[in-house]
Amino acid sequence: KQEVTQIPAALSVPEGENLVLNCSFTDSAIYNLQWFRQDPGKGLTSLLLIQSSQREQTSGRLNASLDKSSGRSTLYIAASQPGDSATYLCAPYTSGTYKYIFGTGTRLKVLA
Amino acid sequence: GAGVSQSPRYKVAKRGQDVALRCDPISGHVSLFWYQQALGQGPEFLTYFQNEAQLDKSGLPSDRFFAERPEGSVSTLKIQRTQQEDSAVYLCASSLGQRGEKLFFGSGTQLSVL
Repeated sequence: KQEVTQIPAALSVPEGENLVLNCSFTDSAIYNLQWFRQDPGKGLTSLLLIQSSQREQTSGRLNASLDKSSGRSTLYIAASQPGDSATYLCAPYTSGTYKYIFGTGTRLKVLA
Repeated sequence: GAGVSQSPRYKVAKRGQDVALRCDPISGHVSLFWYQQALGQGPEFLTYFQNEAQLDKSGLPSDRFFAERPEGSVSTLKIQRTQQEDSAVYLCASSLGQRGEKLFFGSGTQLSVL
C-alpha cells in the first residue's frame, strides 16, 4: 500500500527565500507524480506533473525533482513571495492502480 | 464550463439523512475521481470512474457510500444515513485521459453532519 510523507509539515519564511519541500513515498513503482497547491477553502491546483522517466520538471519559479528508486521527490520554490503562501501536496500515481495517493502536505507561509 | 464544478458548496445534514453531492467534470474528460478530505489532512481516495465504468471503489468507507456516473459525464456521490464521522470536504477531480494525467479539481462540497 502506497504511503506518502511530506516534510516539513509547516514552514514560515521571510519573502525572498529559496525553499525546499520534501515528499517521500513507499512504493517506487509509480507512473508519475504531481505536486499541487491548495489555498484555504479551495480545491487543489496542479503545479507540476513529473513522469517516472523524468528527473526534473520546471515551471517558472518552481522546480520538481524525482528520484523514483529512492522514493523521493522535492519541490524547489525560488525567491518565495507572500502569494506562494498555501499548502503544498504531492501525490504519486502508483502503477497498476487508478489513484493518486496524497501526502498530508506542507503548510507554507511567506512573510512580507 | 471552464473547470470542474461541484454542488452544493456547503451541505448541512442531520444525522441519519441521505445526501447527494454532484460533480460536473470538464467536458470530454474521461477520468473522474472522488476524494474525501478531513481538516488538516490530505485528500483520501474514494472512487474512480473511467467514462461510465466505476473501475475502483476501494476507498469508499462503507456500504452507505455510493457513486455513479451513468452517462460518463456528471457524477453523483450519495451518502445514506449520514453519520458525524462523514463530516469532511468531498472533492471531485477529472483528467482528460485514462492514466495518470494532470488532475483538475473542483472547489469541493463541505459536508457537516449534526
